[in-house]
Amino acid sequence: RKEVEQDPGPFNVPEGATVAFNCTYSNSASQSFFWYRQDCRKEPKLLMSVYSSGNEDGRFTAQLNRASQYISLLIRDSKLSDSATYLCVVNKNTGNQFYFGTGTSLTVIP
Amino acid sequence: DTAVSQTPKYLVTQMGNDKSIKCEQNLGHDTMYWYKQDSKKFLKIMFSYNNKELIINETVPNRFSPKSPDKAHLNLHINSLELGDSAVYFCASSQGTGGMETQYFGPGTRLLVL
Repeated sequence: RKEVEQDPGPFNVPEGATVAFNCTYSNSASQSFFWYRQDCRKEPKLLMSVYSSGNEDGRFTAQLNRASQYISLLIRDSKLSDSATYLCVVNKNTGNQFYFGTGTSLTVIP
Repeated sequence: DTAVSQTPKYLVTQMGNDKSIKCEQNLGHDTMYWYKQDSKKFLKIMFSYNNKELIINETVPNRFSPKSPDKAHLNLHINSLELGDSAVYFCASSQGTGGMETQYFGPGTRLLVL
């Protein structure tokens, strides 16, 4: 079983739509969680960390459900510039063993 | 100023050759990583170094040998290249080893083995 699993999509949504991605992780001892964004043929960049209480950054909201071992990312009022692959990342324990999901592809259509 | 840089950006080579990829970061971070992203876009950690010391070595063939001459550099040498080594290799860095750190990635090195 993979450490981190994501629905690869693709998600094609119109501008202004709200879209949500989920990610599940296998190790209940996982300590830290992130969403990274990767544009086509570019490197991944941190979008936001995911805190236990949930957190929001503008149009982006991240949630963590430890009991069900999943993480979610909600994007409101989608913009064309949100088109990218969104990578769920989990750190298994207090160390540098980061596990990436395969990513969810989002295309925002005019 | 480029934070994490890699050279070369593209590498096309024949099976059986030996090649190196260099990585440098100017962020003052003490931890560096090598990741491999295959054709299915799966990004998998290969190695992690903290202050020039190897701290993570995932199941990677010993044809891959990382070297960290100082904490700002982490190079990757690959011997006897195989077709399956074709991928994008990303270097990254972060500060600390607590697990909460942001990783900063280089632009990637696209390796094609013919």
